[in-house]
Amino acid sequence: DTAVSQTPKYLVTQMGNDKSIKCEQNLGHDTMYWYKQDSKKFLKIMFSYNNKELIINETVPNRFSPKSPDKAHLNLHINSLELGDSAVYFCASSQAGLTSDTQYFGPGTRLTVL
Amino acid sequence: EDKVVQSPLSLVVHEGDTVTLNCSYEVTNFRSLLWYKQEKKAPTFLFMLTSSGIEKKSGRLSSILDKKELFSILNITATQTGDSAVYLCAVPTLGRKLVFGQGTRLTINP
Repeated sequence: DTAVSQTPKYLVTQMGNDKSIKCEQNLGHDTMYWYKQDSKKFLKIMFSYNNKELIINETVPNRFSPKSPDKAHLNLHINSLELGDSAVYFCASSQAGLTSDTQYFGPGTRLTVL
Repeated sequence: EDKVVQSPLSLVVHEGDTVTLNCSYEVTNFRSLLWYKQEKKAPTFLFMLTSSGIEKKSGRLSSILDKKELFSILNITATQTGDSAVYLCAVPTLGRKLVFGQGTRLTINP
């Protein structure tokens, strides 16, 4: 009954590979996000989707491509992985309305690029 | 550019002490300020503050916002080892993206 779930929890891969991270929320929220947390624990927004439509696209390399098949899912595909992509990636969701600013986070995916 | 700054970056205290964590912000079209607690995994939501001077409270944790001076504080009284975590402050900006501060790493020693 996890509210926001991500798979996998850990991902270790070689430079140059392509990988995907999946996110699902069962809260009925209409907006989903991807954040990147670096080694200093600094959380930074990457993308946001509202009802399957991209609404935020920060300055992120083109190698990162989000895909939202429906409003409960937001996946992140990364091409040609680089060492600097190593980080923890968090998915989050929120619902429009009075508490729309409150975002709920998934458990994170720790990506290590060797 | 929207900015959130937290202080201190790191704090070590003994169990039973009271701590105050600070968060200052500069953001256009301010709506709210959020506090999260992050232990080993996901940031978990603590408080959302929208009005100046109104304290939000949950057990030993409380928080207040000052919209005139553009800051918020998070207080934890009678700290316990389970309070050890990184505490994150965030402010939503256009498009509802959250801009986070660097976090305060709080360590409670027994």
